[in-house]
Amino acid sequence: DTGVSQDPRHKITKRGQNVTFRCDPISEHNRLYWYRQTLGQGPEFLTYFQNEAQLEKSRLLSDRFSAERPKGSFSTLEIQRTEQGDSAMYLCASSLLTAAENSPLHFGNGTRLTVT
Amino acid sequence: AQSVTQPDIHITVSEGASLELRCNYSYGATPYLFWYVQSPGQGLQLLLKYFSGDTLVQGIKGFEAEFKRSQSSFNLRKPSVHWSDAAEYFCAVGTYKLSFGAGTTVTVRA
Repeated sequence: DTGVSQDPRHKITKRGQNVTFRCDPISEHNRLYWYRQTLGQGPEFLTYFQNEAQLEKSRLLSDRFSAERPKGSFSTLEIQRTEQGDSAMYLCASSLLTAAENSPLHFGNGTRLTVT
Repeated sequence: AQSVTQPDIHITVSEGASLELRCNYSYGATPYLFWYVQSPGQGLQLLLKYFSGDTLVQGIKGFEAEFKRSQSSFNLRKPSVHWSDAAEYFCAVGTYKLSFGAGTTVTVRA
């Protein structure tokens, strides 16, 4: 169990630029989640995948955001035309869904995005 | 709709003293409840979880939590705090889509 890995740890970008983050989940986990956390708040759900299928998207996920998990393994989150309000910590998590239950979410260390 | 309230934004406790963090939840069915801890600049680490069964659950690092359905609460406790317990603590409810509280920051003084 190598844990959930996120890259990069930090990203500073200028307003209007596009950014892409990567998440590698725990290898046997079939579910992958993206959350966003702003300063002083708890994480907020953005979207999640079961294998390669994106099953739910939050209303927080505007049209400028897109997430993919093409082979059911790693995932990318892209933000187009970044705005200062996008500055946040983006957290990835994974879990294993079986017939019995959905295991607790295991989180990565996040990608800190700063939009200047 | 599911939601979590953590009434205490910040708690300061002396090293060796006991700690209790409050969590109240709203959930339509039998809740799945969690406590996570986050150190500065880091992701969230699971401390403990409640799915069903015994209402007193034990977690890592000496933490425990008690589920009280009548009070819609899931408070976290530790009998004796260590300086390394200084962090932010989040309570969460849900199954695949977790709703988190705003967190409680714990400061430990020597």
